[in-house]
Amino acid sequence: EPEVTQTPSHQVTQMGQEVILRCVPISNHLYFYWYRQILGQKVEFLVSFYNNEISEKSEIFDDQFSVERPDGSNFTLKIRSTKLEDSAMYFCASSADRGNEQFFGPGTRLTVL
Amino acid sequence: GESVGLHLPTLSVQEGDNSIINCAYSNSASDYFIWYKQESGKGPQFIIDIRSNMDKRQGQRVTVLLNKTVKHLSLQIAATQPGDSAVYFCAEDGAGSYQLTFGKGTKLSVIP
Repeated sequence: EPEVTQTPSHQVTQMGQEVILRCVPISNHLYFYWYRQILGQKVEFLVSFYNNEISEKSEIFDDQFSVERPDGSNFTLKIRSTKLEDSAMYFCASSADRGNEQFFGPGTRLTVL
Repeated sequence: GESVGLHLPTLSVQEGDNSIINCAYSNSASDYFIWYKQESGKGPQFIIDIRSNMDKRQGQRVTVLLNKTVKHLSLQIAATQPGDSAVYFCAEDGAGSYQLTFGKGTKLSVIP
């Protein structure tokens, strides 16, 4: 069964450093998403991406965040200068169409020290 | 607004009993709803979905009920098993939106 994959599973970084979280969505999906989950809290939407551009973003997704689809398979989330409060699980998701089931990856645990 | 570090509601059921998990959603314009299961350290896993033109949908051992009048969603799990222990989230997809808005989650604990 096709699945969304994410690397790394755990990333530890110093405050102020840049991090890139990587995702490989399901191959025939066209819509891509990033969500985050702070420990013990609910899953929060960050951004959606379709047709090589951002289609929607939340207030969390400020100018420190960016997304890219550098090739036909990868989808990345970059945080330019990490803050302590960026520590969370980051989930990538993909869907075949808008308004369809979003399939989630296993997540990357980001720890900012 | 919401408090930081919410304490999850917990539902404890005996193995073999039926479980009912409830969710109140916020956007009356939402037209698609999903229940996700999240096990510790893993990503949300799709369980079942329902569109706003339906009020009930059944899957294998699971049923979702939608009451649009009171903006309420429920997940029924029949013959609950230890492997069902997890946090369950409802999520809504607002009309015209790309994002899923997740509820706060309910922790289901199955007592063997």
